[in-house]
Amino acid sequence: QKEVEQNSGPLSVPEGAIASLNCTYSDRGSQSFFWYRQYSGKSPELIMFIYSNGDKEDGRFTAQLNKASQYVSLLIRDSQPSDSATYLCAVSPNSGYSTLTFGKGTMLLVSP
Amino acid sequence: DTEVTQTPKHLVMGMTNKKSLKCEQHMGHRAMYWYKQKAKKPPELMFVYSYEKLSINESVPSRFSPECPNSSLLNLHLHALQPEDSALYLCASSQAGQLAEQYFGPGTRLTVT
Repeated sequence: QKEVEQNSGPLSVPEGAIASLNCTYSDRGSQSFFWYRQYSGKSPELIMFIYSNGDKEDGRFTAQLNKASQYVSLLIRDSQPSDSATYLCAVSPNSGYSTLTFGKGTMLLVSP
Repeated sequence: DTEVTQTPKHLVMGMTNKKSLKCEQHMGHRAMYWYKQKAKKPPELMFVYSYEKLSINESVPSRFSPECPNSSLLNLHLHALQPEDSALYLCASSQAGQLAEQYFGPGTRLTVT
């Protein structure tokens, strides 16, 4: 059973702080890793993807991947109240298709 | 442009009705997906189409019938649904291949009465 694990939260951070979201996965052959942001009642929005070990930065977001330890993380710098949402970690297994296994999501609350 | 559109936004149907959900993308993607999402749960994959052919059916009941008329369109035909089928139905698309990023449409909120 391929699994993706996330803390459900909520993770509460003050405005301006760094929010750190973590995700572990069980399929060692996984090739691609995604972070989606989902506001209540809305659809998931792709915010970051990473394929190689190391860090990938895009604006206030940094994705970190460590395949040896089978974890991927998302850092959000200078957190804003508008970042308050559920963050879904998704992993694509080594299946030949871009199918996604999602974690259950971490709710982030950024207080003003 | 990473837009996937879905219609309708909301749908209420009785258990004896037949209805269809529609999804469209103009990004040249050759893989399209249907997901079902219940409240406070992650999306669950239902179907995958690759190059207009059904590639994956995640053991979905036959009351859900997908169709991919061309590379831009994806339909989900609904018939004899149950109240527990009420959920947010999400369409996504991507380039074909394993490393491709999936982009989701806004979803159709389905209520079965």
